[in-house]
Amino acid sequence: LAKTTQPISMDSYEGQEVNITCSHNNIATNDYITWYQQFPSQGPRFIIQGYKTKVTNEVASLFIPADRKSSTLSLPRVSLSDTAVYYCLVGDRLDNQGGKLIFGQGTELSVKP
Amino acid sequence: DADVTQTPRNRITKTGKRIMLECSQTKGHDRMYWYRQDPGLGLRLIYYSFDVKDINKGEISDGYSVSRQAQAKFSLSLESAIPNQTALYFCATRGDLDEQYFGPGTRLTVT
Repeated sequence: LAKTTQPISMDSYEGQEVNITCSHNNIATNDYITWYQQFPSQGPRFIIQGYKTKVTNEVASLFIPADRKSSTLSLPRVSLSDTAVYYCLVGDRLDNQGGKLIFGQGTELSVKP
Repeated sequence: DADVTQTPRNRITKTGKRIMLECSQTKGHDRMYWYRQDPGLGLRLIYYSFDVKDINKGEISDGYSVSRQAQAKFSLSLESAIPNQTALYFCATRGDLDEQYFGPGTRLTVT
């Protein structure tokens, strides 16, 4: 499974766009990139998943360059409720290890008024 | 109602006691997982199951056992609890698009 590297923490203000970049230099051809959000004392929640180019849903956008060695989660106009830890994961949907997810330390996003 | 539920939500137990954490899901997923999370660390996989007949060890299975009683139920047991098993435990299921759905967690304290 490809290792991921993210910033440990980020600060932002309400209404700003936040971009969190994740490095995954050893990503394999069959790997997808998935982001999760976790609030204190709650289980992680799936945000978005992509393979290449750009994916957008009602919550966020995910930008993946052509070489796929990194990805950027973009949160538009953040609010205080977006304060959470964000995890970037890389893995093959059908891998023989049962699709287990390797969670790194994640990025702790703090949104201030 | 929540798709993935865990009981109990909080538990304090003593060293050497046997304890079981239970997980139920209504999503109809075959794949289920148990993780633990310690302060400042990410989630670490304890056990996972593809279906009721398939159980696999994760990266930190020592000191734990599991039982998959049915597609919807996956239990985690600590045979003889020790203080360094104090952690937040999460159960999760996996959907067809590889997304995982986590339960609310069980906060376990071993004294």
